[in-house]
Amino acid sequence: NAGVTQTPKFQVLKTGQSMTLQCAQDMNHNSMYWYRQDPGMGLRLIYYSASEGTTDKGEVPNGYNVSRLNKREFSLRLESAAPSQTSVYFCASSEAPAYEQYFGPGTRLTVT
Amino acid sequence: AQSVAQPEDQVNVAEGNPLTVKCTYSVSGNPYLFWYVQYPNRGLQFLLKYITGDNLVKGSYGFEAEFNKSQTSFHLKKPSALVSDSALYFCAVRDKGGASKIIFGSGTRLSIRP
Repeated sequence: NAGVTQTPKFQVLKTGQSMTLQCAQDMNHNSMYWYRQDPGMGLRLIYYSASEGTTDKGEVPNGYNVSRLNKREFSLRLESAAPSQTSVYFCASSEAPAYEQYFGPGTRLTVT
Repeated sequence: AQSVAQPEDQVNVAEGNPLTVKCTYSVSGNPYLFWYVQYPNRGLQFLLKYITGDNLVKGSYGFEAEFNKSQTSFHLKKPSALVSDSALYFCAVRDKGGASKIIFGSGTRLSIRP
């Protein structure tokens, strides 16, 4: 039982490049989330998916898109990376929105 | 709109002393409240939650938290701190009647000195 897995662990992009961050969970959870963590800012919600087939914007959705591919997988895409998107990205899942979240190990992204 | 505040960026405590990490929240309805811990270069780990019922909830690693509706607070406590408790702690809130998203505080760094 791996929990929540994220790939890649590290990534360096040039401004304007695109990439997709992958997230998968094997706990049969309904809800999945993408956060970014910046020093002094805590975690900020980018997008979430309350259940398979639905996605909604969080606090900081601009510059990102998401896909809930199936119940297990929830990907985050940066279409044109900007230095302001340099951050650590965490994926999380929960059985339902009211329940505690389980977090992946994170992806450290640097945009130069 | 829902929000959560952790007024202290850092809390320093001597090993063996009690510790408190403060959290206050704002929601339009009744809250779901959570505490998470983050160790260096790791994702967040769930510690405890308040959904309903007893205002004092117990969680992992000997931590507990007290829900106070009148003060809109959910402070994290431990009777006797360990050096291994040193980490970054996050409070989070969700409005029961609102959207599905959970909002996190900015985090409090807890440092326990031997």
